[in-house]
Amino acid sequence: NAGVTQTPKFRVLKTGQSMTLLCAQDMNHEYMYWYRQDPGMGLRLIHYSVGEGTTAKGEVPDGYNVSRLKKQNFLLGLESAAPSQTSVYFCASRTLAGGSYEQYFGPGTRLTVT
Amino acid sequence: AQSVTQLDSQVPVFEEAPVELRCNYSSSVSVYLFWYVQYPNQGLQLLLKYLSGSTLVKGINGFEAEFNKSQTSFHLRKPSVHISDTAEYFCAVSENQAGTALIFGKGTTLSVSS
Repeated sequence: NAGVTQTPKFRVLKTGQSMTLLCAQDMNHEYMYWYRQDPGMGLRLIHYSVGEGTTAKGEVPDGYNVSRLKKQNFLLGLESAAPSQTSVYFCASRTLAGGSYEQYFGPGTRLTVT
Repeated sequence: AQSVTQLDSQVPVFEEAPVELRCNYSSSVSVYLFWYVQYPNQGLQLLLKYLSGSTLVKGINGFEAEFNKSQTSFHLRKPSVHISDTAEYFCAVSENQAGTALIFGKGTTLSVSS
């Protein structure tokens, strides 16, 4: 049981390049989230999904797109990377059942845009 | 709108001393409260949570927190810290609705020295 995994762990992009971050969870969780973490800012929600085929915007969605074609995967895309998107990106998931409300986090992806 | 304020950005303490990390929140509805810990270069791990019931919540690694509704606070405490407790700690709040994401504070860096 791997929990939440993220691919890649590190990436360096040039301004204007595109990339996709992959989040996968093997816990059959309904909800999935993408956050970004910047120094002194805590974690801020980019997009989230409450089920396969559905997505919604979070606090800082501009410059990002997401897709959830399969329940276990949640993709975060950057169409044209900017230096302001240099950050550590965390994916999280949680179950609808059991009333736990705990989110399980992946190990993060460190992205640098030059 | 919800918000979370962590009153101290950095807390330096000596080993075996007690520590309190402060967290205040604002919300117009009932909330669930969480403390997460992030060790260097790792993802977030749940320390403890308050959903309902007893206002004193015990978590992992000897931490506990007390929910105070009148003061809208959820302070984290440990009676005796270890070097290994050095990490960043995040307080988070979620409205008790399905699918709602976490709103994080900006984090408190706990530095334990000998």
